[in-house]
Amino acid sequence: QVQLVESGGGVVQPGRSLRLSCAASGFIFSNFAMHWVRQAPGKGLEWVAVILFDGSNKYYAESVKDRFTISRDNSQNTLYLEMNNLRAEDTAVYYCARSLSGWLHDAFEIWGQGTMVTVSS
Amino acid sequence: IQLTQSPSFLSASIGDRVTITCRASQDIRSDLAWYQQKPGKAPKLLIYAASTLQSDVPSRFSGSGSGTEFTLTISSLQPEDFATYSCLQVFSSLCTFGQGTKLEIK
Repeated sequence: QVQLVESGGGVVQPGRSLRLSCAASGFIFSNFAMHWVRQAPGKGLEWVAVILFDGSNKYYAESVKDRFTISRDNSQNTLYLEMNNLRAEDTAVYYCARSLSGWLHDAFEIWGQGTMVTVSS
Repeated sequence: IQLTQSPSFLSASIGDRVTITCRASQDIRSDLAWYQQKPGKAPKLLIYAASTLQSDVPSRFSGSGSGTEFTLTISSLQPEDFATYSCLQVFSSLCTFGQGTKLEIK
């Protein structure tokens, strides 16, 4: 069935880096734009980044721009989020989500179960 | 683009009709979606393009609006509907969510 599975979360010290992965299955991964969304404990949802179906364009929330990098490997059906210079305020559950299409301006249809990232010394 | 949901908290009873509003800081056409989220779970898409019901979502859910004002209506609350609801704008390349509305049992 259609599925997204995140991995790579954990506890990391401020200023360090972490890479999240999202393994896709059950659909043609290369046809769809992909997003990262996060949710701090007890807070609302925050969009983080998007990458188009072919990786040609990427966009980031201001809060993570220049620190986070979204990428994808369509041959491996995998989405990534490289997070550098992590801050305490980056502590959250990170979800990957599949768009309704390969482009922007479409809702996020399929979500993973999330992976927790805790930034703490 | 900022999205402001109202109310932030809503207390209602089984069978009630409830409406949640999402206001955008600028015109976003119909590029708005609604999500339901239960504790410890990923969000679930209910409505996209402001008023299109996602497949397998019960017909008691409906969405309306365009431009800057949008509503999510649940026509007759069921026990499984008590959750947090969030709107999402996808008009901009930089998407944003509303702050969420927590729907609780009265």
